Amino acid sequence: QVQLVESGGGVVQPGRSLRLSCAASGFTFSDCAMHWVRQAPGKGLEWVAIISYDGTNKYYADSVKGRFTISRDNSQNTLHLQMNTLRAEDTAVYSCVRVRRGYNYVDYWGQGTLVTVSS
Amino acid sequence: DIQMTQSPSTLSASVGDRVTITCRASQSFSSWLAWYQQKPGKAPKLLIYKASSLESGVPSRFSGSGSGSEFTLTISSLQPDDFATYYCQHYSSYSLAFGQGTKVEIK
Repeated sequence: QVQLVESGGGVVQPGRSLRLSCAASGFTFSDCAMHWVRQAPGKGLEWVAIISYDGTNKYYADSVKGRFTISRDNSQNTLHLQMNTLRAEDTAVYSCVRVRRGYNYVDYWGQGTLVTVSS
Repeated sequence: DIQMTQSPSTLSASVGDRVTITCRASQSFSSWLAWYQQKPGKAPKLLIYKASSLESGVPSRFSGSGSGSEFTLTISSLQPDDFATYYCQHYSSYSLAFGQGTKVEIK
């Protein structure tokens, strides 16, 4: 079955960097676009970034543009999120999310990894 | 960017009640609207896509409708397992936009 397992979260000081990873299995990873979505503690869902199935197209939320970079390694079935210049407001659970092949809606979510930005 | 606004933010209901949640978009679009259910500590679960298509395995008491800029999620007869937070979402090939969520509580 489809599995998305995030890793790399932790506590980091403001201004520092962190790299998240998402290991995908149970489907043909290279066929699917992928998103990162975050959820601050007790808050709603916020879209972060999307990458096309082949990695050629990437789009970002205004709140992270210029600081975060989404990438993928289809040979390793892995999605990444490089987060630089982190701010307190970036504190959230970050989840990788699959776009259903051939469509634009998302169908499977990982459980997420918690990023806490605090001095 | 499209903004999604859900109402109400919280809804108190009893088992067996018919429940309706509304989602309004800041601009009109086709049917690229999905609904998700999220329980505490869990990942969201897809219920409805393309505004009214029921995801496989989702009970038929869930239904979606609407087009343009106003959409609704209806639960025809609320069950104990349905107490959760529900999110609408506009999707496109380059972004997602979520409503702020509607928490369905036990009355």
